[in-house]
Amino acid sequence: AQSVTQLGSHVSVSEGALVLLRCNYSSSVPPYLFWYVQYPNQGLQLLLKYTTGATLVKGINGFEAEFKKSETSFHLTKPSAHMSDAAEYFCAVSEGYGNKLVFGAGTILRVKS
Amino acid sequence: DAGVIQSPRHEVTEMGQEVTLRCKPISGHDYLFWYRQTMMRGLELLIYFNNNVPIDDSGMPEDRFSAKMPNASFSTLKIQPSEPRDSAVYFCASSRSGRAGRDEQFFGPGTRLTVL
Repeated sequence: AQSVTQLGSHVSVSEGALVLLRCNYSSSVPPYLFWYVQYPNQGLQLLLKYTTGATLVKGINGFEAEFKKSETSFHLTKPSAHMSDAAEYFCAVSEGYGNKLVFGAGTILRVKS
Repeated sequence: DAGVIQSPRHEVTEMGQEVTLRCKPISGHDYLFWYRQTMMRGLELLIYFNNNVPIDDSGMPEDRFSAKMPNASFSTLKIQPSEPRDSAVYFCASSRSGRAGRDEQFFGPGTRLTVL
């Protein structure tokens, strides 16, 4: 069965600093991987996804993630944090049938001024 | 498109009462998901439908929970009787069919349920 591990339930960075949120997955089949963001009191929205093809995926708001099969990782990065990036971020893997997703526990990103 | 619509946005009820949460998915989406989010357990998938048919309800916590999808544009999640431990934010999400597993899920704003 698929699973997702997000390292660090809370990450704090200064405004303008690099953002790195870690995600490792377990999957018995080639995975489809997703990053979602949740702002306070809102539903989740898609940041980016990897299905096939290029392993470096660019998403909205300047975020990107790289699929590394050998490391079973899909870490999320952004070169320069902005105050508006403060939110909770979820990594997810698709089980490949239907559109069922398995979500990680989430990482809360705090951006300090 | 209005996105996924959920009602009510907030619900406060007393233990033992019946609670009904409602969801209208995005038009044309064939999959509908119900999730529950709590601090302790994170985001849990309760049940999902494909073309109005329940496919996997293994996440439904117990018989007090039931979900229906009478047509392509409406679904309900019912808790009867409700208990304080059911307090959580309940999300509905929908997605298209087709390339299985690849399509984005679109989430509604959630219903914050408080059971006193």
